[in-house]
Amino acid sequence: GAGVSQSPSNKVTEKGKDVELRCDPISGHTALYWYRQSLGQGLEFLIYFQGNSAPDKSGLPSDRFSAERTGGSVSTLTIQRTQQEDSAVYLCASSWGQGYQETQYFGPGTRLLVL
Amino acid sequence: AQSVTQPDIHITVSEGASLELRCNYSYGATPYLFWYVQSPGQGLQLLLKYFSGDTLVQGIKGFEAEFKRSQSSFNLRKPSVHWSDAAEYFCAVGGNNNDMRFGAGTRLTVKP
Repeated sequence: GAGVSQSPSNKVTEKGKDVELRCDPISGHTALYWYRQSLGQGLEFLIYFQGNSAPDKSGLPSDRFSAERTGGSVSTLTIQRTQQEDSAVYLCASSWGQGYQETQYFGPGTRLLVL
Repeated sequence: AQSVTQPDIHITVSEGASLELRCNYSYGATPYLFWYVQSPGQGLQLLLKYFSGDTLVQGIKGFEAEFKRSQSSFNLRKPSVHWSDAAEYFCAVGGNNNDMRFGAGTRLTVKP
């Protein structure tokens, strides 16, 4: 079946603009994660959704970042008033069960460049 | 909170040679440990994971890793590297929360 997909694959925006990044998880996966991968650094956890539970937003770096997951499936990560330091690859992952003990399947990422 | 250190930013090995990628973690309790590989243009793929039990874990693509509690390490090994193994490798550690911490990665180059 299809894996995790993300769109767009690349996004170039101007400082101060808002951007929306989309993630389509594997069908039936209840858990969904967003990570940020900055150049030369490891993945940084941003947010975690599990079923209909309230999301774990503990990794969001500022209130300019938000995410939602509609119908327990597709998720959108929104960055408002983008800054140059937001430039990174944003990765989405999904898994069957609760917690990262379940294998996470990663999408190819969205490469964001803020000019 | 847990943390991960991958001391080697870049490693070059010859095809057919053995490989060991280092990973050190910091966590107060028994950690959950993972190795992921990211090939160019590909998403991250799980190679192997350790939760409990046998400290030597076998993964896909001929990789293995050994959990050493006394050294707080979870090094990844492969006896004979193939050119297709060239990629970025990430070690990750999880604790009793949803926050899985990744290392900065080790980029592997394979010489013919």
